[in-house]
Amino acid sequence: KNEVEQSPQNLTAQEGEFITINCSYSVGISALHWLQQHPGGGIVSLFMLSSGKKKHGRLIATINIQEKHSSLHITASHPRDSAVYICAVRRSGNQFYFGTGTSLTVIP
Amino acid sequence: SQTIHQWPATLVQPVGSPLSLECTVEGTSNPNLYWYRQAAGRGLQLLFYSVGIGQISSEVPQNLSASRPQDRQFILSSKKLLLSDSGFYLCAWSYGTGNYGYTFGSGTRLTVV
Repeated sequence: KNEVEQSPQNLTAQEGEFITINCSYSVGISALHWLQQHPGGGIVSLFMLSSGKKKHGRLIATINIQEKHSSLHITASHPRDSAVYICAVRRSGNQFYFGTGTSLTVIP
Repeated sequence: SQTIHQWPATLVQPVGSPLSLECTVEGTSNPNLYWYRQAAGRGLQLLFYSVGIGQISSEVPQNLSASRPQDRQFILSSKKLLLSDSGFYLCAWSYGTGNYGYTFGSGTRLTVV
């Protein structure tokens, strides 16, 4: 079993829809990251969370430490949001565990 | 500001040939450096990380090795590539302490033929 599980694996949405991607983890962590991987392969760090909620533009990330769960929300989705979204957790030191990603396609 | 450079962007190599991928970081000192591989349909797999010059930790035993000859330089190598070495290789850096961000290079798509 993977230390980090994401759902769904694939997601197709119409432009303007509200999108939620979920991440559950089974290990103690010091921080959780949400990453965005573009079709060309480049990865951008969207958020780093250790508690509560963060917002950046149309993106919102939340984490519930007790439930070992995080969600990434995209409001008013747009085709340019199409990408693979990866959840990663950082344990103490340099141990990172990655989910396999959620492939999002937003249709105009 | 800090930047990370990774090259080449794409590489096609025959089985049995050597490999050298290079990653450099600018704008910071003593970063933690990482090599990841992303095989088709799979998540990111940590291959090596380094907390300082000459200090390499291997997460997965395999056909690859890593070296850190300078503070901001991280090299991924192989003496003889296997078909299973094909994949997307990403270099990343982070600060060594505290919950700071994590920055990736643009990646190298390696195809072993």
